Amino acid sequence: GAVVSQHPSWVICKSGTSVKIECRSLDFQATTMFWYRQFPKQSLMLMATSNEGSKATYEQGVEKDKFLINHASLTLSTLTVTSAHPEDSSFYICSAMGPYYGYTFGSGTRLTVV
Amino acid sequence: DAKTTQPNSMESNEEEPVHLPCNHSTISGTDYIHWYRQLPSQGPEYVIHGLTSNVNNRMASLAIAEDRKSSTLILHRATLRDAAVYYCILMEYGNKLVFGAGTILRVKS
Repeated sequence: GAVVSQHPSWVICKSGTSVKIECRSLDFQATTMFWYRQFPKQSLMLMATSNEGSKATYEQGVEKDKFLINHASLTLSTLTVTSAHPEDSSFYICSAMGPYYGYTFGSGTRLTVV
Repeated sequence: DAKTTQPNSMESNEEEPVHLPCNHSTISGTDYIHWYRQLPSQGPEYVIHGLTSNVNNRMASLAIAEDRKSSTLILHRATLRDAAVYYCILMEYGNKLVFGAGTILRVKS
């Protein structure tokens, strides 16, 4: 069945550095991927929609210069958190549309900024 | 996207059926009713979806009211592995998934 692989599963970085998170659709092509952020004991918040070969569409209030999204191929989307700060510490989750009806989610990346 | 209302939490005994309700009084004719669940420290997983008719799959059943203003996710025999947050989401086909607060399901052994 459809599998979305997210890497790394967790990362600790120093304040001011950048972190890249990868999201791959392993057995299907995903023209559209989504990035979410989830704080402890809260629901998922949609950050942006990533479309292969075009610029991402960001939700209101999400800084596009801070959260850089690249969807260069039909199987890979990346989220780069630039100049990370402790308030960026969160659980980041990607999802892809297809190949069957419904969305497949990655297992998430826990980012801790120290 | 139309809004859904779910109870904050529910509790069930292992091996017993669980009925998770969802109210969506402002649902439009093109909104599909989706259910996803999220186990602790994992990404959500698809459970089931439907438009008008009741639906069954290997994970659960979805009962949709005739006026479509409410629906119920049915887990026929809850196990400890079903303890999760269950999200009821309305979405037009091809649109983005917007998550609400969901229902925390606790399963007692």
